[in-house]
Amino acid sequence: DADVTQTPRNRITKTGKRIMLECSQTKGHDRMYWYRQDPGLGLRLIYYSFDVKDINKGEISDGYSVSRQAQAKFSLSLESAIPNQTALYFCATSDTGRAEAFFGQGTRLTVV
Amino acid sequence: KNEVEQSPQNLTAQEGEFITINCSYSVGISALHWLQQHPGGGIVSLFMLSSGKKKHGRLIATINIQEKHSSLHITASHPRDSAVYICAVRRNTGNQFYFGTGTSLTVIP
Repeated sequence: DADVTQTPRNRITKTGKRIMLECSQTKGHDRMYWYRQDPGLGLRLIYYSFDVKDINKGEISDGYSVSRQAQAKFSLSLESAIPNQTALYFCATSDTGRAEAFFGQGTRLTVV
Repeated sequence: KNEVEQSPQNLTAQEGEFITINCSYSVGISALHWLQQHPGGGIVSLFMLSSGKKKHGRLIATINIQEKHSSLHITASHPRDSAVYICAVRRNTGNQFYFGTGTSLTVIP
């Protein structure tokens, strides 16, 4: 089993729909991150969480919200999806005091 | 201006060639990562460096902290090395990651 699991792997949704992307990890890491990847751009940080009670906005948080349900679970929601949110979304984890990061397999989201 | 710059953006090589991908960064870091992203989209960590050099099979990664530069080398390249290679740094303040835009490598048989 993967250390960081994202569901779904692929999703097509309509403009205006609410959608949730889920991430779970078995690493026991306290830090979790959501990124989006667009062609020609590096991964950009949407939200991050350093523990269950800590949620922080990244550089492109508008239109997104997150929930850290447990240390192992970090969900990303699009309240009302729009076409320019079509992208590849990655969840990542790391541990306090350690620089190594682990990535999920990605969720390819298409908003039509 | 991006905190992390990679070059080249695209690279095509013949099988067997020696390949170098470069990464420069402008912030203080605690570590630098080289990541590999295959066409299916998943990202795998190849190396994490804070100094010196690391080798894994045909892959070699080096970092020069003073010059804020890292290189990823692939010796005896193979078509299965075709992927996007991403340089990422972890800042030493705030502990966030910053990513380069990636180098798309195609190795032709």
